[in-house]
Amino acid sequence: GENVEQHPSTLSVQEGDSAVIKCTYSDSASNYFPWYKQELGKRPQLIIDIRSNVGEKKDQRIAVTLNKTAKHFSLHITETQPEDSAVYFCAASGGSQGNLIFGKGTKLSVKP
Amino acid sequence: EAGVVQSPRYKIIEKKQPVAFWCNPISGHNTLYWYRQNLGQGPELLIRYENEEAVDDSQLPKDRFSAERLKGVDSTLKIQPAELGDSAVYLCASSQQASADTQYFGPGTRLTVL
Repeated sequence: GENVEQHPSTLSVQEGDSAVIKCTYSDSASNYFPWYKQELGKRPQLIIDIRSNVGEKKDQRIAVTLNKTAKHFSLHITETQPEDSAVYFCAASGGSQGNLIFGKGTKLSVKP
Repeated sequence: EAGVVQSPRYKIIEKKQPVAFWCNPISGHNTLYWYRQNLGQGPELLIRYENEEAVDDSQLPKDRFSAERLKGVDSTLKIQPAELGDSAVYLCASSQQASADTQYFGPGTRLTVL
């Protein structure tokens, strides 16, 4: 089945710097890759997603890139702000089992 | 539009007791998911429903866990009897159609088993 690896597990940046989180997946049939932000004690919130027919997608300060050949995708946050501090999860689905498989999460801390 | 609703938000029980969680998905969403999220981990799928049919329950520990979605709308997840290792956040999510559609999560139920 699908396996999603996410790195780093923790990331600390200064306000205004960029943050990059990387994920790899194992099932070449996966075709949908969402990113969720989860603040402490709250629900995971979708922040951006990408499908396998697109290589890059951007929404204001957030962008996601996908490399299907290498089976990895990344989240880029520019001009980070303290309110970006949270745990970020990548996920992959649409593969042979069709279920969403999550990475273990990255705890992002943005220091003012 | 109301989001995914779950209740209760918190539940504390002693081991061997039963517990039930309720979820009401976003109106019109045919697919409903139950996930378990352990501390410091990503959500892990327990069961997926397409309307009232459980299409994937391969990760559901069937000796103690059960779920139902009788009318294809709201759903209940039950644990009987609960064990210490069941302490986790139980998340419900829904999507319009198939599993590759955007999933929207509820606030979760934090279960503590003493």
